[in-house]
Amino acid sequence: DAKTTQPTSMDCAEGRAANLPCNHSTISGNEYVYWYRQIHSQGPQYIIHGLKNNETNEMASLIITEDRKSSTLILPHATLRDTAVYYCIVRGSGGSNYKLTFGKGTLLTVNP
Amino acid sequence: GAVVSQHPSWVICKSGTSVKIECRSLDFQATTMFWYRQFPKQSLMLMATSNEGSKATYEQGVEKDKFLINHASLTLSTLTVTSAHPEDSSFYICSARDPDRRDGYTFGSGTRLTVV
Repeated sequence: DAKTTQPTSMDCAEGRAANLPCNHSTISGNEYVYWYRQIHSQGPQYIIHGLKNNETNEMASLIITEDRKSSTLILPHATLRDTAVYYCIVRGSGGSNYKLTFGKGTLLTVNP
Repeated sequence: GAVVSQHPSWVICKSGTSVKIECRSLDFQATTMFWYRQFPKQSLMLMATSNEGSKATYEQGVEKDKFLINHASLTLSTLTVTSAHPEDSSFYICSARDPDRRDGYTFGSGTRLTVV
């Protein structure tokens, strides 16, 4: 699976949009971009994933660049409960690629 | 939605004893489950992939004789930490692959193991 690079930490004001970048310059054509988050001492929680097109759900939006070498997770109106470590993961679509490999992630701190 | 139950949520054991952690998929059948370990302030590290009815596949550097994995049914996988030592103290998390979920993965809430 392609490697991802994320900033170590970011801050965001409550109520503002949080934009979390991820670089995955070695991504291949059949690899998806997944985002998970982990609130302290809990299991990871799925947020969103995509292949080429931008995606939106009730939690967030995922913007993938046209060359697919980077993406941005957008939390439109961050709340204090969104403080967590956010993981960007690139994963293939079959076989041994079913496993998720976590990088170091970005610690997002939402401030009042 | 898909739920993975992990038990116990925390456990304290003495050095040299063994500890078993259970991971159950409550409302779906999981042919594949994954076990992760997470040390403080670090990311999740995949330990092994557990397939129902067959031997687990361990990641490089993970001792299969120390971390015994059993996946005897489609809803239960267990991880046994044998002859535990203080350095095995960690947060252990399981994940089950649910083919009906769009993202495919559901994680348990984790087990905090402390070896004293």
